[in-house]
Amino acid sequence: DAGVTQSPTHLIKTRGQQVTLRCSPKSGHDTVSWYQQALGQGPQFIFQYYEEEERQRGNFPDRFSGHQFPNYSSELNVNALLLGDSALYLCASSLRLAGYEQYFGPGTRLTVT
Amino acid sequence: RKEVEQDPGPFNVPEGATVAFNCTYSNSASQSFFWYRQDCRKEPKLLMSVYSSGNEDGRFTAQLNRASQYISLLIRDSKLSDSATYLCVVMLNNAGNMLTFGGGTRLMVKP
Repeated sequence: DAGVTQSPTHLIKTRGQQVTLRCSPKSGHDTVSWYQQALGQGPQFIFQYYEEEERQRGNFPDRFSGHQFPNYSSELNVNALLLGDSALYLCASSLRLAGYEQYFGPGTRLTVT
Repeated sequence: RKEVEQDPGPFNVPEGATVAFNCTYSNSASQSFFWYRQDCRKEPKLLMSVYSSGNEDGRFTAQLNRASQYISLLIRDSKLSDSATYLCVVMLNNAGNMLTFGGGTRLMVKP
């Protein structure tokens, strides 16, 4: 039973570029949440997708957008990258009706130069 | 003020020691509470949930004080493998399972 997978593992981009990160949830899960973790800090909630719609959003600008596909996988897109976007991006999956437990993927480490 | 506050540490303790971490949260409507463990450059993993009655899992004990909006984690008989960052997490159950993390407390257990 595969857990949460994310791709790519690492990514280096230049300021102003755009990036797409991908997440496949744990088998049987229908909800995907994205978090940003800057070095030395705790993860911060970006947004959550369920039934292909954004259901909750944290305090992130519109440069951060996402999508969920019919197979429950999800993408996180960041436009006009800033140096401050350098972070570990974590995807967490859960089963909406089964309570709170969220399983995190290994993350994508994004470096913006 | 941060929604969830933790002492960043590091806490340096010898093997076998007992260590306690504390956490405070600002939103009194928070309904679910957790401790996650995060190893260096890895993803967070759920360590345990925290209940008002307190709960224990082996060497780990978690407590919640709703009146003081305070959560604690006690680790007894520390092992080298306990070295990690411990994240205090709260959730508003009406917010679609959105997790709010503290900044984490780093623990280093020395031989």
